[in-house]
Amino acid sequence: NAGVMQNPRHLVRRRGQEARLRCSPMKGHSHVYWYRQLPEEGLKFMVYLQKENIIDESGMPKERFSAEFPKEGPSILRIQQVVRGDSAAYFCASSPAGRGYNEQFFGPGTRLTVL
Amino acid sequence: AQSVAQPEDQVNVAEGNPLTVKCTYSVSGNPYLFWYVQYPNRGLQFLLKYITGDNLVKGSYGFEAEFNKSQTSFHLKKPSALVSDSALYFCAVRAPFRGGYQKVTFGIGTKLQVIP
Repeated sequence: NAGVMQNPRHLVRRRGQEARLRCSPMKGHSHVYWYRQLPEEGLKFMVYLQKENIIDESGMPKERFSAEFPKEGPSILRIQQVVRGDSAAYFCASSPAGRGYNEQFFGPGTRLTVL
Repeated sequence: AQSVAQPEDQVNVAEGNPLTVKCTYSVSGNPYLFWYVQYPNRGLQFLLKYITGDNLVKGSYGFEAEFNKSQTSFHLKKPSALVSDSALYFCAVRAPFRGGYQKVTFGIGTKLQVIP
């Protein structure tokens, strides 16, 4: 059973370009979470999705950031018009449906560098 | 609102000595508590969790954690540290299931350095 897959592993963009990060959850998992990690800042929650639904986007900036988890295919985190401050490691995690005591399984992350 | 505190940015311990990484939490009701480890340039890996029952939880790689409700703590421990345990450790908390969505809140992380 393959783990959580993220691609690309490294992404370089120039200011103003779009960044598109992909996450394929573990087989059988219907919940996806996106986090951003910066040195000295720990892991920051961004958004929680179930298939075709955004459940909690309270950690995601209102502008330029969007996320989706379609019925078919991977979850996508999209950052439009990137700025240098968007440079970070972005992690995706997945979990099965349950009552909240299931641990999350993390992908290897996408390291975004904005030039 | 729920929260997690990891009061130490870094913990240094000599190889072979016992280690403790501290975590305290704040949540309404009986919590679900988790520990994760992150090695350089990798994603987080699950170590162990407390849901209910025995306060001492055993997990991967010889780690264990003790749930202390009165002190609202969930410290991670290992009797004998290995150099390969050097990594970043995250504590996380989730409110108990009440029929709806509960967010997981992660601590800021504690860097463990095991000195040969």
